[in-house]
Amino acid sequence: QVQLVQSGAEVRKPGSAVKVSCKVSGGTFRNYEISWVRQAPGQGLEWMGGLSPLFPTPHYAQPFRDRVTITADESTNTSFMELRSLRSEDTATYYCARDFGAKSYFDLWGRGTLVTVSS
Amino acid sequence: DIQMTQSPSTLSAAVGDRVTISCRASQTIGDWLAWYQQKPGKAPKVLIYQVSHLEDGVPTRFSGSGSGTEFTLTITSLQPDDFATYFCQQYDRSPWTFGQGTTVEIK
Repeated sequence: QVQLVQSGAEVRKPGSAVKVSCKVSGGTFRNYEISWVRQAPGQGLEWMGGLSPLFPTPHYAQPFRDRVTITADESTNTSFMELRSLRSEDTATYYCARDFGAKSYFDLWGRGTLVTVSS
Repeated sequence: DIQMTQSPSTLSAAVGDRVTISCRASQTIGDWLAWYQQKPGKAPKVLIYQVSHLEDGVPTRFSGSGSGTEFTLTITSLQPDDFATYFCQQYDRSPWTFGQGTTVEIK
């Protein structure tokens, strides 16, 4: 059974960066795309970007384009999301989610990683 | 970007009630719409994809309908496990966008 296993909670200061990981367990990593979706406390879901190992260029939502980098390591079946220049508004739970590319919904989600940005 | 608008934001219902949640897209998205359920502290879980297709293992009391820009999630005979927040999502055109959510509360 495929699972998405995320790294643990992080606390960062404003202006710093955070890198969250998402390991694909029990599946063939290169067959699908991993996206990152965040949810601020009590708020809705916001897609940040995604990357398929088959297509090395990730695609990002415009609000994050200058601050986020999504990468993938096929050797460890792991996707990474790095967010830079953190501000308090970035405090959120960050989820990785699987889809199968174009015209595909998110059928599997990680448990989420809480990132707290505080001075 | 395609904006997704859900209504209502909050809904109070009793066990056994029939519940309907609406989702409107700012432009036509064909049938590329999914519905997710989220419980506090948990990740979202897909219920329905492509407007009306039930994900494996999802109870048949959940159903979806609509086309173009107007979509509906219906729960017939609400169960205690169904009190949660529901989100619609379009996956017709990047960036993928979600509705703001509808919380189903116990009446």
